Amino acid sequence: GAGVSQSPSNKVTEKGKDVELRCDPISGHTALYWYRQSLGQGLEFLIYFQGNSAPDKSGLPSDRFSAERTGGSVSTLTIQRTQQEDSAVYLCASSSSTAETQYFGPGTRLLVL
Amino acid sequence: QKEVEQNSGPLSVPEGAIASLNCTYSDRGSQSFFWYRQYSGKSPELIMFIYSNGDKEDGRFTAQLNKASQYVSLLIRDSQPSDSATYLCAVILSGGYNKLIFGAGTRLAVHP
Repeated sequence: GAGVSQSPSNKVTEKGKDVELRCDPISGHTALYWYRQSLGQGLEFLIYFQGNSAPDKSGLPSDRFSAERTGGSVSTLTIQRTQQEDSAVYLCASSSSTAETQYFGPGTRLLVL
Repeated sequence: QKEVEQNSGPLSVPEGAIASLNCTYSDRGSQSFFWYRQYSGKSPELIMFIYSNGDKEDGRFTAQLNKASQYVSLLIRDSQPSDSATYLCAVILSGGYNKLIFGAGTRLAVHP
């Protein structure tokens, strides 16, 4: 079946602009995770959704970052007033409710100029 | 101390050799361990997961877990140039929501 999809694949924006990143998990997967991968920080957790709820937001780096999930499926990660340090690859992963293995999407490469 | 530590490499091995990748973790209560492979410019791809002490084999890959020593390793037998990638060790900490905590990754280079 189809894997995790993300859009856009690349995004270039100017400092101070808002961006929205989208994740479409594997069909039937109730758990959805956002991670960020940057050169200096490696791969780090941002937020976890179980259904439409986010019981763990501990990785969001600032209040400029927010995320939502609707219909237990698609999720959107929003970064307001982007800064150059937000430049990274944003990865989404999903897993089924009965398994811990997470499958990653192709990522969105964000560049803030 | 980082929660998950890996030698960044690069680890260089000749084609056909065994590549041994190691990872240590700090949370003694961790129960779930994963190895992901990441090619340059691509997203992580799940290779193996292991939950119990001992060895788990899948084709040319063997994951080894030693909870008493808090380390997990990945062996790649008959290494091929196509195995050249960064290998990420990931751990689910005890008491968490299944979020993966990643090591920095070990870069493996298999030369012909």
